[in-house]
This record gives sequence, C-alpha cells and structure tokens, in this order.
Amino acid sequence: DIQMTQSPSSLSASVGDRVTITCRASQSISSYLNWYQQKPGKAPKLLIYGASSLQSGVPSKFSGSGSGTDFTLTISSLQPEDFATYYCQQSYSTPFTFGPGTKVDIK
Amino acid sequence: QVQLVESGGGVVQPGRSLRLSCAASGFTFSSYAMHWVRQAPGKGLEWVAVISYDGSKKYYADSVKGRFTISRDNSKNTLFLQMNSLRAEDTAVFFCARGIGEIDYWGQGTLVTVSS
Repeated sequence: DIQMTQSPSSLSASVGDRVTITCRASQSISSYLNWYQQKPGKAPKLLIYGASSLQSGVPSKFSGSGSGTDFTLTISSLQPEDFATYYCQQSYSTPFTFGPGTKVDIK
Repeated sequence: QVQLVESGGGVVQPGRSLRLSCAASGFTFSSYAMHWVRQAPGKGLEWVAVISYDGSKKYYADSVKGRFTISRDNSKNTLFLQMNSLRAEDTAVFFCARGIGEIDYWGQGTLVTVSS
C-alpha cells in the first residue's frame, strides 16, 4: 500500500500570509494526487486534482504542484475562510490513501 | 445539483452488523464510481472502499476487507455499505462520495457508533 505523509501537521498563520503544505508518497504516484479542504463538522471539499488542476469553482489563490513522490499545496494569500484542515490523497492505486492532514489555524 | 444523502447510521454493539445507504441525485449515477470514506471522531480521513460504475469491480481498505461489502443499485441510484463484525474502532462518520480518481462530491455523512 502507498503511504502518504504531510508536513507540517499544523501551522499558525496570519491573514494575508502565503502558506505551503507538503505531501509525500511512499512511492511514485505520477500526478495522481488530490487536495481537499475540510472545515469542522463539514464534508471535505475537493480543491486540486491531478496534482495541479484547480477544481471548478475553487479560487485561484489555491495552487498545487509536484509529481512522482513530492507535492505541494500553496495558498497565496490566506483569508479567514481558509482556516481549515487540508488533506492530500493519492488516486494512483487502491487503497486510495489520504495523508494525515494539516491543520491551518489563526496566529 | 449533485446530492448524496447517507442513512442507516446509529449505535450498534460490537460484533453486530449495520447497512448504510446513500441516495444519489442530480447526476447519472450509473456512470460514476462511488466511494465510502470514514472519519473517526477527531481523526483524519480514511478511505474505505470503491465500486466501479457498473458494480463489477470493488476494492477495500485492509482494515475492512472481509468484513465490509460495498454494492450499488443503479436502478435506484443507491450505494450501500454492508458492515459486519463491527468493532469499536469502526466508530466514525461515514461519507458517501463520487469519483473516478479524485472525489468531487461528498455527502454530509452518517455517524456509526460501535459500543456495548
């Protein structure tokens, strides 16, 4: 099975900050990497698929990059509504494992 | 608009069974693979199972293999998860979700609590 790790596990940031979250796969997954945002008590929301493609309706302040085993999610200018937990997920092979999440909260 | 509505959650004793349902609407259900994803209280997301658009292929997480069965009824636009031999560690919110690779729509989830 492919293991997914994320760093950091949590971070504190201010409104307007540029934030970068890293996700690493235990083996190459090409570009089969997706990013989700989840707020407390809510279902996750797809932000990025295929490592770098922006899901319809998602603001362009979110961007993704990477291929192989190393990936990043960047939020260009953090806004109050962006404080949430972010998960990566590989869809290269089953089981479609998620990373452990990165919680972004207010500094 | 796409809607996924889960039902069937509740409190169940260890070792017992429970069947979850997910009613889909707003899209051509029979054209999409469907997933179950769960989230234990205060924990991260755990992928559980996926079924192909026609039900011919099914894959499971190791943690549920042999105990859970995913199925679908395309005539009724409904996804199912039969859960047997439930354990305390199966306590979670179970989400029904749509997607081939990436998961683009999610239900709001149904809570399953396994406790004596």
